[in-house]
Amino acid sequence: SQTIHQWPATLVQPVGSPLSLECTVEGTSNPNLYWYRQAAGRGLQLLFYSVGIGQISSEVPQNLSASRPQDRQFILSSKKLLLSDSGFYLCAWSVPTTVETQYFGPGTRLLVL
Amino acid sequence: QKEVEQDPGPLSVPEGAIVSLNCTYSNSAFQYFMWYRQYSRKGPELLMYTYSSGNKEDGRFTAQVDKSSKYISLFIRDSQPSDSATYLCAMSTSKAGTALIFGKGTTLSVSS
Repeated sequence: SQTIHQWPATLVQPVGSPLSLECTVEGTSNPNLYWYRQAAGRGLQLLFYSVGIGQISSEVPQNLSASRPQDRQFILSSKKLLLSDSGFYLCAWSVPTTVETQYFGPGTRLLVL
Repeated sequence: QKEVEQDPGPLSVPEGAIVSLNCTYSNSAFQYFMWYRQYSRKGPELLMYTYSSGNKEDGRFTAQVDKSSKYISLFIRDSQPSDSATYLCAMSTSKAGTALIFGKGTTLSVSS
């Protein structure tokens, strides 16, 4: 069966510090991978998605970036965090060539102070 | 007009009640409709998945899609305290690579 991991689970970072969140998927090959942010009262916002290694599409212009160095690894990064980057970050995967059924990881709660 | 609208609630019901959760949408190209359940501080969990119009039943849960009205529903029968969570609707077009569009979620509380 497929499993998706995210770490860390919780992170408290000062404004201006860098960020690296990691997501890995097990039990499937060449998945589509997604990064979402969930802020209170705003719902799920798609940040990035990837259909393959090195292929990243950005949905929202901001100070975040994403990379996919390996087939089942997806990384969310920032060089300098802003207060507005606080939120719940969720990684998700779907089978190749589809987008309609996505499976989410446990999430990383980020607080920028 | 937002693409997907969902009443945030909160919705409070007694144990055993029938719960109706709803979303409306504006994009007639949507063909795939999902319901996710999200417990507090956890990732969303796929609950139901429906293609095009019609009903789908899974245990105590029934998903309905009315494309003519651009309206989808999730019914929960014999609700339990363990059903207390936020329910998110989501939808997408048939084109692979396009994003899922989520509602903001409805918070449900089932009291024993």
